[in-house]
Amino acid sequence: EVQLVQSGPEVKKPGESLRISCKGSGYGFSSYWLGWVRQKPGKGLEWMGLINPGTSDTIYSPSFQGLVTFSVDKSTNTAFLQWNTLRASDTAIFFCARHYGSSYGSLDSWGQGTPVTVTA
Amino acid sequence: DIQMTQSPSFVSASVGDRVTITCRASQAISNYVAWYQQRPGEVPTLLISGASILQTGVAPRFSGSGSPTDFTLTINTLQPEDVATYFCQNYFDVPLTFGGGTKVEI
Repeated sequence: EVQLVQSGPEVKKPGESLRISCKGSGYGFSSYWLGWVRQKPGKGLEWMGLINPGTSDTIYSPSFQGLVTFSVDKSTNTAFLQWNTLRASDTAIFFCARHYGSSYGSLDSWGQGTPVTVTA
Repeated sequence: DIQMTQSPSFVSASVGDRVTITCRASQAISNYVAWYQQRPGEVPTLLISGASILQTGVAPRFSGSGSPTDFTLTINTLQPEDVATYFCQNYFDVPLTFGGGTKVEI
């Protein structure tokens, strides 16, 4: 069974840094791109970008380019989403999801989400 | 970026009704459209990929159609457990883009 398990809720202050994680199991972790999706409170879904766990190649949505960093640790089948400087507007739930299928792939398996609250 | 314009944004229907949600892409994207269901407080789940391919375990009352710019998600015989927000998504090109969502209530 494909599983993506994310790290727990975070409460941070503006200006702080943060790294959240997403651990994959039940499939060949390095064989499928891993995407990140943001959902602000009461709002829709926004695709942030993806990482190829096998090569660490990344594609960022222009809306998130330069604001976040994707990385991966193949030895633990874990992907990371990192901020160097959080802002209050980063408050949201962040999901990791596996890309599957042709073209860039639909998102067929999702993590449970990591709520991030940024408040002074 | 490819814009995905989804309508309506809200639907109120009765149990047993047929519900139709549409999504229009700002350019041709072949059949690279997915539909997701997000029940209140839950994680999104993939219902349909390739515009019309029902995922394993998804109830057959859900169906998808359309190509290359206009797409439809149909829920036949609406059930109480279908209360959710539904999103379409382009995966033809990056950045992948979602429609704004359709909230379905009973």
